[in-house]
Amino acid sequence: DAKTTQPPSMDCAEGRAANLPCNHSTISGNEYVYWYRQIHSQGPQYIIHGLKNNETNEMASLIITEDRKSSTLILPHATLRDTAVYYCIPGAYQLIWGAGTKLIIKP
Amino acid sequence: DADVTQTPRNRITKTGKRIMLECSQTKGHDRMYWYRQDPGLGLRLIYYSFDVKDINKGEISDGYSVSRQAQAKFSLSLESAIPNQTALYFCATSELSGGFDSYNEQFFGPGTRLTVL
Repeated sequence: DAKTTQPPSMDCAEGRAANLPCNHSTISGNEYVYWYRQIHSQGPQYIIHGLKNNETNEMASLIITEDRKSSTLILPHATLRDTAVYYCIPGAYQLIWGAGTKLIIKP
Repeated sequence: DADVTQTPRNRITKTGKRIMLECSQTKGHDRMYWYRQDPGLGLRLIYYSFDVKDINKGEISDGYSVSRQAQAKFSLSLESAIPNQTALYFCATSELSGGFDSYNEQFFGPGTRLTVL
């Protein structure tokens, strides 16, 4: 599984779009990119995944660059409940988890 | 009822004691995982199992052992607990799907907070 680089922390105003970047330059051609979030000390929760195309679901959108070396998770209208640590994990088996990005939504 | 349960939820023990953390799932998944999380850090993989007869070491398996008693149960043991094993422990499951490039998200339990004095 490839390793990742994410900013350790980010702030975003409530109601605005939160854009969380992730660099995964060593990703293999057939490895998906998964995003999870962890609210406080709860078990992580799956958000979205993608391979090559941009993806959208009820929680978020995922933009993957054409070379697949980086991706951005977008929370379109952030709320206070979106305050969490967000993890970007490439790889078929999702076995290597970095420290993630601590996103703080401010009122 | 929760799909992935962990027992106990909290445990305080002393150095040198043997401790078992249990994980059960009702999702019917073949794959199960044990992770450890230290304060301010991400998850680190201890052991994982892709089916009942398959056990694999993760990044930090030293000092831990596991048992996959059935598809639904995966236990983590600390043979002789030490203070630096104080952490939050998570169990997770995912579905075995065909092909290396198949996707399968992980579903996590609520965690066990372990303190070793």
